Amino acid sequence: QQQVKQSPQSLIVQKGGISIINCAYENTAFDYFPWYQQFPGKGPALLIAIRPDVSEKKEGRFTISFNKSAKQFSLHIMDSQPGDSATYFCAAGGGATNKLIFGTGTLLAVQP
Amino acid sequence: DTGVSQDPRHKITKRGQNVTFRCDPISEHNRLYWYRQTLGQGPEFLTYFQNEAQLEKSRLLSDRFSAERPKGSFSTLEIQRTEQGDSAMYLCASSLVGARTEAFFGQGTRLTVV
Repeated sequence: QQQVKQSPQSLIVQKGGISIINCAYENTAFDYFPWYQQFPGKGPALLIAIRPDVSEKKEGRFTISFNKSAKQFSLHIMDSQPGDSATYFCAAGGGATNKLIFGTGTLLAVQP
Repeated sequence: DTGVSQDPRHKITKRGQNVTFRCDPISEHNRLYWYRQTLGQGPEFLTYFQNEAQLEKSRLLSDRFSAERPKGSFSTLEIQRTEQGDSAMYLCASSLVGARTEAFFGQGTRLTVV
């Protein structure tokens, strides 16, 4: 019940295209859903986050879509650039500690 | 630099040795988390402090692991009698309590046990 399932495992997108990564959760107690970007040898960097009271949040080229009834959320990267090539992790958190449960990651490669 | 700082960045140790890592959170962040990340996986929660109190420990945190946060500022994570299975990236994150609960991660300490 604590799992967060992430797909796809890897993704190749052409420059200028849209990258879409999906996540699903089971625990309805989760109330905070961030996305992190991680480059090799670096720590995860917070990209964008959403709470279940909204269905969509956009920040620049990054958009989170949230479907509370389906317990699913996704990250859309518009106009993908080679510099976006990294591993992306979704996560879910909540409760008193707000500890995060992470997905298994998606390795994104944006081809020039 | 006002981000989360971790030291050392890399540590190579022989099996059976003890190691200690340090994390300096973002100033005024009262929550501090330790996570472990193995190759190809997402970070896994280890333990959590609010100020100086350690409020939760994961079952992943065996008796060989101990964490402290004296005075509610920096934190240390010690691994005693290291094993090859302890090889991983150890990540520290900090956040505020309350409405703004975004967690910011440090660069991590890469531990290799040989």
